[in-house]
Amino acid sequence: EIVLTQSPTTMAASPGEKVTLTCLASSSVNYMYWYQQKSSASPKLLIYYTSSLASGVPDRFSGSGSGTSYSLTISSMEAEDAAIYYCLQLTSTPLTFGSGTKLEIK
Amino acid sequence: EVQLVESGGGLVQPGRSMKLSCAASGFTFSNYGMAWVRQAPTKGLEWVATISYDGSSTYYRDSVKGRFTISRDNAKSTLYLQMNSLRSEDTATYYCTRVRNYDFDYWGQGVMVTVSS
Repeated sequence: EIVLTQSPTTMAASPGEKVTLTCLASSSVNYMYWYQQKSSASPKLLIYYTSSLASGVPDRFSGSGSGTSYSLTISSMEAEDAAIYYCLQLTSTPLTFGSGTKLEIK
Repeated sequence: EVQLVESGGGLVQPGRSMKLSCAASGFTFSNYGMAWVRQAPTKGLEWVATISYDGSSTYYRDSVKGRFTISRDNAKSTLYLQMNSLRSEDTATYYCTRVRNYDFDYWGQGVMVTVSS
């Protein structure tokens, strides 16, 4: 099973601040996917194929990485970006999610 | 507009069975694979099972293999999850998701399953 380790576990950012979240895989994966989950809501796809923006997602979100190291970047933090962010690997079963990064607004 | 609406959750005793349903609309259901993903209270996301667009292929995580069955009725645009021999660790919100390529692009609102005596 591929284990995804997300860091930090929790962080707070000020409006306008650049934010980078990291996801490290225990084995190399082909692509990384990123989801946003706001309190009590269903997860929402943000990034697919490592760096492609899902429909309707603001372009302040971007993804990058390869092999075992991936990141999600918010170029300028907004209050509405406060949420838990999960990475997901689809390279091998069982499909696995990271444990999440909780992002708060300062 | 893509809509996925889960139903069938609730409280069930350990060892008993429960069947979840997911009614899909707003897209051609028979063209897409579908999946179930769950989230235990205050925990992260966990993939449960995936079914191909025509139902010919299914995939499960080990902890539910032999106990859960994912199925679909394309004529009714409905996805199912039959859960047998339920355990306390199956307590979670279960999300129905559409599979686009391989990722989960649309999610339902989720249905809560509580396994407790």
